[in-house]
Amino acid sequence: DTAVSQTPKYLVTQMGNDKSIKCEQNLGHDTMYWYKQDSKKFLKIMFSYNNKELIINETVPNRFSPKSPDKAHLNLHINSLELGDSAVYFCASSTASGGETQYFGPGTRLLVL
Amino acid sequence: QKEVEQDPGPLSVPEGAIVSLNCTYSNSAFQYFMWYRQYSRKGPELLMYTYSSGNKEDGRFTAQVDKSSKYISLFIRDSQPSDSATYLCAMHGSSNTGKLIFGQGTTLQVKP
Repeated sequence: DTAVSQTPKYLVTQMGNDKSIKCEQNLGHDTMYWYKQDSKKFLKIMFSYNNKELIINETVPNRFSPKSPDKAHLNLHINSLELGDSAVYFCASSTASGGETQYFGPGTRLLVL
Repeated sequence: QKEVEQDPGPLSVPEGAIVSLNCTYSNSAFQYFMWYRQYSRKGPELLMYTYSSGNKEDGRFTAQVDKSSKYISLFIRDSQPSDSATYLCAMHGSSNTGKLIFGQGTTLQVKP
């Protein structure tokens, strides 16, 4: 029944590794997002896809690459992980015309050692 | 200077108190204003949404927007321990990209 789900919930890894986070929504929404929340709870948008098309690409290192195989899924792949990548990553979704009402997933807590 | 400023708190109040949470912003193009609530170790959830200036009430919650002062507020009446959470303001302009700009969030604790 979960509207927006993310896997894994926790991710602990070494610097330099490559990791992926998966997101799925069963709300029938056309638009999906990735956010990063730092240790001070500051939530910042990274990417947004509308119907598999990239529409928002903020100033994010190109080590981060989103991929949307279909409009219900948006994955985030991170290459060469750095200490500063440690954060909570949230996936969200909304209707195409309702960007104000975004439904967030539970978050993936990434710790880079 | 961040586009949206919000005092991170923490703010601690006794049960039953009226809580006032605020954000200021610098971008006059913002027209859509939201308040999200985030419980510990959970994702944010939309609490209130206001378009342009004015007030909106929903139960114990009232959202106010003053565009002339670039200032938005969320009031919680008769606060309950279950209101203890982080409250994030968010806003965006007229473009429909869904690019929300969030404040840092204010952590609220309501003590029984």
